[in-house]
Amino acid sequence: AAGVIQSPRHLIKEKRETATLKCYPIPRHDTVYWYQQGPGQDPQFLISFYEKMQSDKGSIPDRFSAQQFSDYHSELNMSSLELGDSALYFCASSSELDSNTEAFFGQGTRLTVV
Amino acid sequence: ELKVEQNPLFLSMQEGKNYTIYCNYSTTSDRLYWYRQDPGKSLESLFVLLSNGAVKQEGRLMASLDTKARLSTLHITAAVHDLSATYFCAVEYSGGGADGLTFGKGTHLIIQP
Repeated sequence: AAGVIQSPRHLIKEKRETATLKCYPIPRHDTVYWYQQGPGQDPQFLISFYEKMQSDKGSIPDRFSAQQFSDYHSELNMSSLELGDSALYFCASSSELDSNTEAFFGQGTRLTVV
Repeated sequence: ELKVEQNPLFLSMQEGKNYTIYCNYSTTSDRLYWYRQDPGKSLESLFVLLSNGAVKQEGRLMASLDTKARLSTLHITAAVHDLSATYFCAVEYSGGGADGLTFGKGTHLIIQP
């Protein structure tokens, strides 16, 4: 079965650079969530989108932005990167039309800022 | 603000023993999830608990939910080394819409032979 696809899997950037993370949800899923997990930490919710509109906002820094496109994939744009942005970034997708469905997580993108 | 407290945060146990991980949350929730995470890996969904009194079992793991007490438990029976991982509970706020999950701090479980 198709799963949530994230790219790239690994990314190394320097301080003050920008990064773009991509997420391709499970087919027919209309909702995408982004989470950040620092080393040894629990995942922190950043932002979610439903039908290409922002649905919920968590602890996303102002330096980050995200959007969901017409094909339902989503991109997380990160600017002015800081060392503290080094983390695993997970995307999850779900279907709001199916109240019984849960959110499924991708494999994550490991971002290292040096 | 929804808060999720998990305990213990660290647990070392021997194979064959039983133990329980607890998850308390602060406000009404739509759903409670249990995830397993191996180091550097993604979050593997173990259980989704939707209603008061819900109990689900998979192999040596059993999860339950008491919505009145705002408490969920993950019980491990006759632990084996392969269950060593970090276990997270996560709660979905019942505000409606595509809300993000609030995770507990995780329980780092080590099962020794």
